[in-house]
Amino acid sequence: EPEVTQTPSHQVTQMGQEVILRCVPISNHLYFYWYRQILGQKVEFLVSFYNNEISEKSEIFDDQFSVERPDGSNFTLKIRSTKLEDSAMYFCASSESGRLEEQYFGPGTRLTVT
Amino acid sequence: RKEVEQDPGPFNVPEGATVAFNCTYSNSASQSFFWYRQDCRKEPKLLMSVYSSGNEDGRFTAQLNRASQYISLLIRDSKLSDSATYLCVVTLSGSARQLTFGSGTQLTVLP
Repeated sequence: EPEVTQTPSHQVTQMGQEVILRCVPISNHLYFYWYRQILGQKVEFLVSFYNNEISEKSEIFDDQFSVERPDGSNFTLKIRSTKLEDSAMYFCASSESGRLEEQYFGPGTRLTVT
Repeated sequence: RKEVEQDPGPFNVPEGATVAFNCTYSNSASQSFFWYRQDCRKEPKLLMSVYSSGNEDGRFTAQLNRASQYISLLIRDSKLSDSATYLCVVTLSGSARQLTFGSGTQLTVLP
């Protein structure tokens, strides 16, 4: 069964450093998403991406964040200058048609900012 | 007021028990409703969509009451493998692709 993959599974970085989280969505999917979950808290929407541009973004997704689809397979989330409060699990998701029932989540990248 | 509210639990029930989870949402224009399941430190996985007419999938039954802005999930004959956190999820009007999650209700099924 096709699945969304994410790398790395765990990333440790120092405050102020840039990080890039990588996702490979399911191959025929067209809509891509990033969510985050701070430990012990709820899952929060960050951004959605379609046709090489951002469709929607939340208040969390400020100028420190950016997304890119650099090639036909990868979808990346960049945090320019990490803060302690960026420590969280970051989930990538993808869907074929944009119907939410079809949104598949990757296993997540745990980001720890020290 | 939180957009999606759930009883955090934990719910500890014996195998075979029936357990019900409730969820309320604040935005009356919410469009779509779901229950997701999340195992510890894993990704959310769609359990079922929730329709106004109510829907059932095996041991799981979901109900939606738009007038009361209330969603429920009933699990019958609970199994050890049902132990997880159950997340109530809605989409808000105008943000059809943005999932809004509740904080989840933790369930532990005991042998």
